[in-house]
Amino acid sequence: DAMVIQNPRYQVTQFGKPVTLSCSQTLNHNVMYWYQQKSSQAPKLLFHYYDKDFNNEADTPDNFQSRRPNTSFCFLDIRSPGLGDAAMYLCATSTAGTSPEQYFGPGTRLTVT
Amino acid sequence: AQSVTQLDSQVPVFEEAPVELRCNYSSSVSVYLFWYVQYPNQGLQLLLKYLSGSTLVESINGFEAEFNKSQTSFHLRKPSVHISDTAEYFCAVREFAAGNKLTFGGGTRVLVKP
Repeated sequence: DAMVIQNPRYQVTQFGKPVTLSCSQTLNHNVMYWYQQKSSQAPKLLFHYYDKDFNNEADTPDNFQSRRPNTSFCFLDIRSPGLGDAAMYLCATSTAGTSPEQYFGPGTRLTVT
Repeated sequence: AQSVTQLDSQVPVFEEAPVELRCNYSSSVSVYLFWYVQYPNQGLQLLLKYLSGSTLVESINGFEAEFNKSQTSFHLRKPSVHISDTAEYFCAVREFAAGNKLTFGGGTRVLVKP
């Protein structure tokens, strides 16, 4: 089945130690998104790629970076994680066509110690 | 700018009882509307969507939602809930021709009690 895959599902990192979360998709969608979701809150968009074009949200901290080496893969890099970065990170995809819905992966829960 | 309001943050409901989750949005242009469901430690799953046409949309597991343009609402209903419907439900809006972004409501946590 076509899907959005996130690895790992659970990630523990130390305060200040760089960490990378990965997302892959078999849907061949041209738009990929990264969201941060804290407990009991709605997902918050960090940035998205429209093909290779990177679109950063105005309030996304510089500590968060992203890479999209090809259509299928997208990475979220947190350069120096703080305790406040502990959250669920969700990857989503969509196609810039007549189907405007986004398809989400299962998420990676990040713990910062 | 668009915004989405889910009026109830939590809705406790007994099994086999009906439930309604309210969603109102504000936008100056036409929109697409969505309901997503999130089970604990999972991603969001699309429950149903309104793109155009009939204002009443249904999901395969008994949920339905009705788009009301005059009231700018997209309330979600189920006539008889199951324990397995315990989850968080998010209403989301995307404006026509405004890029690919979704605006989410704050979520409604449904707790189904036996």
